[in-house]
Amino acid sequence: DAGVTQSPTHLIKTRGQQVTLRCSPKSGHDTVSWYQQALGQGPQFIFQYYEEEERQRGNFPDRFSGHQFPNYSSELNVNALLLGDSALYLCASSFSLLPSGANVLTFGAGSRLTVL
Amino acid sequence: TQLLEQSPQFLSIQEGENLTVYCNSSSVFSSLQWYRQEPGEGPVLLVTVVTGGEVKKLKRLTFQFGDARKDSSLHITAAQPGDTGLYLCAGGRDDKIIFGKGTRLHILP
Repeated sequence: DAGVTQSPTHLIKTRGQQVTLRCSPKSGHDTVSWYQQALGQGPQFIFQYYEEEERQRGNFPDRFSGHQFPNYSSELNVNALLLGDSALYLCASSFSLLPSGANVLTFGAGSRLTVL
Repeated sequence: TQLLEQSPQFLSIQEGENLTVYCNSSSVFSSLQWYRQEPGEGPVLLVTVVTGGEVKKLKRLTFQFGDARKDSSLHITAAQPGDTGLYLCAGGRDDKIIFGKGTRLHILP
């Protein structure tokens, strides 16, 4: 049973460029959440997708956008990259029908983005 | 404003010692989770607590949820080098899960 898979694992971009990160959720999960984890910090919630729509959003600018496909996989897009966008981007999947108190996240290994 | 404050930020102790790390908030959460993250990997769930005052044990790890569901602690007995990692607490609210900054634990052999 495959867990959460993310690609690419590492990438380097320059300021002003755009990046797309991809995530395939764990089998049986229908909800995907994206987190940004800066070095030495905890993960910061970016947004959550369910039924192909953005359901929740954290305090991130509109340069961060996403998409969820009918097969529940998801993409995170970041436009006009800044140096401060350098971080580990984590995708986590979960199952929507569990009570919110019992819902847990299964994380991928992340995509490490370096912006030069 | 950090909703979940974890302390200490860093902890380095000798193998065999006991330790406690804390997760505090002024907000109430429907659930609180603890994750452990190792370098190059995503966080892995250790436990979920949902009831105020709840205590859960996982081998040498003991997790407690505060009565008011605003805080939690993780106690490790007889720490081992394999316990080294970043320990993250996370609170569930409004169908999303938010994380603290973590406690980086290093167990010296």
